[in-house]
Amino acid sequence: EPEVTQTPSHQVTQMGQEVILRCVPISNHLYFYWYRQILGQKVEFLVSFYNNEISEKSEIFDDQFSVERPDGSNFTLKIRSTKLEDSAMYFCASRNTGMTGNTIYFGEGSWLTVV
Amino acid sequence: KQEVTQIPAALSVPEGENLVLNCSFTDSAIYNLQWFRQDPGKGLTSLLLIQSSQREQTSGRLNASLDKSSGRSTLYIAASQPGDSATYLCAVLDSSYKLIFGSGTRLLVRP
Repeated sequence: EPEVTQTPSHQVTQMGQEVILRCVPISNHLYFYWYRQILGQKVEFLVSFYNNEISEKSEIFDDQFSVERPDGSNFTLKIRSTKLEDSAMYFCASRNTGMTGNTIYFGEGSWLTVV
Repeated sequence: KQEVTQIPAALSVPEGENLVLNCSFTDSAIYNLQWFRQDPGKGLTSLLLIQSSQREQTSGRLNASLDKSSGRSTLYIAASQPGDSATYLCAVLDSSYKLIFGSGTRLLVRP
């Protein structure tokens, strides 16, 4: 079964460093998402992306975050200057259009630890 | 703004018991509702997805119901087992096609 894949599975970075989290969505999907889950808290929506543009973003998704689809397969989340409070699990997700378009598929997540 | 609430926050039951987890949402304009399982430090495993036009879905010992008009869903787990211990998350797909999650119910099934 097709799946969303994320790399790295775990990354430790120093405060102030830039981090890029990578995702390969399911190949025929056109809508992409990033979600975040701080340890012990809710899974929170960060951003949705379609047709090379941000469709919607949450209040969390401030200027230090950016997303990009650099080629036909990857979807990335960049955090420009990491803070301690960015430590969380980041989930990438994707969905199709049409009849199957309201099922969102999640990757296994990328643990980010900022020290 | 859509908000999803799950009750109880935590639940501890002896093995073999049947149990019900509750989820409520404030805006009935949803496309579907999904129940996930999350083990500590792990990703999200989709258990059941109920389309907005459906009333329930079943998979093995799990049954989920949806009452869209009242903004409620329940997840029924029959004959619980220690392996069912995990956090169960409810999420609704809102009108802009993003999932809104509840805080989850932490379930412990005692042998």
